[in-house]
Amino acid sequence: QVQLVESGGGVVQPGRSLRLSCAASGFTFSRHGIHWVRQAPGKGLEWMAVIWSDGSNRQYADSVKGRFTISRDNSKNTLSLQMNSLRAEDTAVYYCARNEDSSGTGAFDMWGQGTMVTVSS
Amino acid sequence: QLVLTQSPSASASLGASVKLTCTLSSGHSNYAIAWHQQQPEKGPRYLMKLSSDGSHSKGDGIPDRFSGSSSGAERYLTISSLQSEDEADYYCQTWGTGIVFGGGTKLTVL
Repeated sequence: QVQLVESGGGVVQPGRSLRLSCAASGFTFSRHGIHWVRQAPGKGLEWMAVIWSDGSNRQYADSVKGRFTISRDNSKNTLSLQMNSLRAEDTAVYYCARNEDSSGTGAFDMWGQGTMVTVSS
Repeated sequence: QLVLTQSPSASASLGASVKLTCTLSSGHSNYAIAWHQQQPEKGPRYLMKLSSDGSHSKGDGIPDRFSGSSSGAERYLTISSLQSEDEADYYCQTWGTGIVFGGGTKLTVL
């Protein structure tokens, strides 16, 4: 089955860390850039980070630069997002999404179902 | 600056057609976009990629009721024969120096 499945969400205190994962199946993971996108409760979609297919390039939104790190393991078809120094405003559903090609710029042609992260004391 | 503008809401009757608009900011009228649907309590779903000339390629399993068109800086998503399950938020997305989303349009099917 062609899909992306996120995991790792939960409730975490401000200032702490959390690591999200995205497992890919049914397609050649190593041929696609992959993004993280989040959606705060009742709000729209906000792009967070992207990693090129071979891991050679990574880009981040200003709001998470220096706190979040995106990585991938093409041998395991998995994507990760290490989130440090979490803030209340990071509370959101986090989605991974597939880029249409190997770069980090293009149409998102597949989405996961999302994982919820709540930052609260 | 690359910006996408969408109306916050739209409505149409069951069985009718509706045309949603996504407007590219000045100087970016030749950009392609993608349309995504987000039904209540679900993750987004890719609908189609839409080029400046109106050509579009749809995602797997997207019904023929969904079509796209373009005019200048405007990108359109037309949904015909509206069904109750079409009630959702619709987002446009584009890319250039970075990834940009429109604010989304909440479609209500009456």
